[in-house]
Amino acid sequence: NAGVTQTPKFRILKIGQSMTLQCAQDMNHNYMYWYRQDPGMGLKLIYYSVGAGITDKGEVPNGYNVSRSTTEDFPLRLELAAPSQTSVYFCASSLTASSYEQYFGPGTRLTVT
Amino acid sequence: AQSVTQLGSHVSVSEGALVLLRCNYSSSVPPYLFWYVQYPNQGLQLLLKYTSAATLVKGINGFEAEFKKSETSFHLTKPSAHMSDAAEYFCAVSLRATNKLIFGTGTLLAVQP
Repeated sequence: NAGVTQTPKFRILKIGQSMTLQCAQDMNHNYMYWYRQDPGMGLKLIYYSVGAGITDKGEVPNGYNVSRSTTEDFPLRLELAAPSQTSVYFCASSLTASSYEQYFGPGTRLTVT
Repeated sequence: AQSVTQLGSHVSVSEGALVLLRCNYSSSVPPYLFWYVQYPNQGLQLLLKYTSAATLVKGINGFEAEFKKSETSFHLTKPSAHMSDAAEYFCAVSLRATNKLIFGTGTLLAVQP
C-alpha cells in the first residue's frame, strides 16, 4: 500500500491564481481530512469527509473548497490564492471515527506571492 | 470547547536523559488523546493513543504517556533519549464519536550529544 499520497510536493502561486492539491489513499478509509500547518500554530482542520459525496467544514474553511466523488480521492481547491494561504497542507485518512489512527500524507508546501 | 495546551515550544535534552513533553487538555467529556511525531519534511506519525482503556499507554520507539484525569494531563515520556528522537511532537484531543482532532501547537525536541 502506498498509504496517503499528495501532489504536488511544492508549489509557488501568484496572488489570485487557482490550484488543486491532490490527495489519494489506497487503504479504503471512509474518513479523509485536510489540515494546514503554520509555524507555532499546530495543525488546523480545513475540511473533512466521512465518505464519498459527504464533506463538511472544519475550523478554517474560508478560501478553500473540497469534493469527494470517490472513496480514494479528496482534492482541495484554492480558488483565489492569497498570501495568507502560504502554508504546509496535509491530507489524512482514517478508517472510521476519532478512536482510530489518522494516517498522514507527506504534505504540500505552498507559497503564495 | 476542547483544547490542548503544550507547555514548552522547544525542549532540549542530552542523549540518554529523560524526555518529558507536557500536554494538558480541556474537555467537558472524557476525551480521546493522541501523541503524534513529525520528523523534518515529513507527515505526522502516531506515537500512541488513549481511548479509555489503561491509563498508562505505551507507544512506539519506547515512548509512553499517562492519562491523569485529575490533572487533565497526558504527558509524554521516554526514559532515555536517542539522537533519532529529535523531531516535533504534537498532542491532540478529540471527542468520543467525532472525527475531528484538535492539535496543540507542538514541541520541538532537540537531543544533544
